Amino acid sequence: NAGVTQTPKFQVLKTGQSMTLQCAQDMNHEYMSWYRQDPGMGLRLIHYSVGAGITDQGEVPNGYNVSRSTTEDFPLRLLSAAPSQTSVYFCASSYRDRMNTEAFFGQGTRLTVV
Amino acid sequence: AQSVTQLGSHVSVSEGALVLLRCNYSSSVPPYLFWYVQYPNQGLQLLLKYTSAATLVKGINGFEAEFKKSETSFHLTKPSAHMSDAAEYFCAVRVRNKLIFGQGTELSVKP
Repeated sequence: NAGVTQTPKFQVLKTGQSMTLQCAQDMNHEYMSWYRQDPGMGLRLIHYSVGAGITDQGEVPNGYNVSRSTTEDFPLRLLSAAPSQTSVYFCASSYRDRMNTEAFFGQGTRLTVV
Repeated sequence: AQSVTQLGSHVSVSEGALVLLRCNYSSSVPPYLFWYVQYPNQGLQLLLKYTSAATLVKGINGFEAEFKKSETSFHLTKPSAHMSDAAEYFCAVRVRNKLIFGQGTELSVKP
């Protein structure tokens, strides 16, 4: 059971480039989300999805797009990378509407924009 | 709005000493609270969770947390710190499906 798998683990981008961070889970979780982690700010929610075909914005969505064509996959797209998007990105999944269950996290993608 | 505050961005203890990491929440409904641990260059791992079954919750690696409604707190403790406990710790509250995190507390353990 792989859990939540993120690729790549590390990435360096030039300002203005685009890229997609991949996230896949094999636990049949309906809810998936993307966070960014910055020093002293905890984890902030970028986008989330409650099921295939349904996505919504979180706290810091600007500069990012998502889609959810399958239950398993939830890619995050950076449209035109900016230095302010240098961060560590985490994908998470959990059961939808089961409040007493936890979220499972991927290992993270460390992104540097130069 | 529901939120989580972790008091102290950095805590340093000696090996064998008590660990106390503070978390306070604000919530208009009974909260579902979680503590996660993040070791260097890794993802987040669940330590323990409060889901209203018991106010004292035991987790992995000897950690426990006590839910105190009157103080709106969910502090994390461990009686005796070990070097391997050095990590960053996050308190979070679940709001419907979203997890809202505190700012994190980095725990250092001195030999």
